[in-house]
Amino acid sequence: DQQVKQNSPSLSVQEGRISILNCDYTNSMFDYFLWYKKYPAEGPTFLISISSIKDKNEDGRFTVFLNKSAKHLSLHIVPSQPGDSAVYFCAASVQGGSEKLVFGKGTKLTVNP
Amino acid sequence: DARVTQTPRHKVTEMGQEVTMRCQPILGHNTVFWYRQTMMQGLELLAYFRNRAPLDDSGMPKDRFSAEMPDATLATLKIQPSEPRDSAVYFCASGPGQGGPKAFFGQGTRLTVV
Repeated sequence: DQQVKQNSPSLSVQEGRISILNCDYTNSMFDYFLWYKKYPAEGPTFLISISSIKDKNEDGRFTVFLNKSAKHLSLHIVPSQPGDSAVYFCAASVQGGSEKLVFGKGTKLTVNP
Repeated sequence: DARVTQTPRHKVTEMGQEVTMRCQPILGHNTVFWYRQTMMQGLELLAYFRNRAPLDDSGMPKDRFSAEMPDATLATLKIQPSEPRDSAVYFCASGPGQGGPKAFFGQGTRLTVV
């Protein structure tokens, strides 16, 4: 039973356009969400996070939106760059809980020049 | 530049052999995680330590896998005996345990069991 779901295994966009990566979760106890980025042969690196008390968090070209009622979050990358091509993992946790992160299966983003 | 260090980076072994993967967490981090990445399951949590004490190893096959933290600078994951289905990339991550859940990952150990 997957608690964090990324239903799109892959996404392809043109350089300069917006990339939107989606994530759904089922566990209503989750209250802290993170996005990680992974290049081949490297470990995942932290990108951006959001607490459930917010509905938006922005860091440069990256914005994460959280819709608690729909149990849905999304990562927007604007403008997309070829260097953004990677696998993006959504993760969720219970803040103040065990700190362990539950990950989705990832979405492979390809940004074409 | 603080980072999580994993050894070896690559391991090829025969079925039935013992495999040991090592991890040096970031100095000062008190939480350590072992994750396994496969195409089918994505990133799945195998074990989790806080202050060297195991808190959750429910994701780990108990009959063949074991995880330990002999000291604060070393975490180990052992598979004995190894099987072809164990082939995957194993990641170690550490976290500060405060300021919100966050894990910093090593580069992983790619294990191939033939």
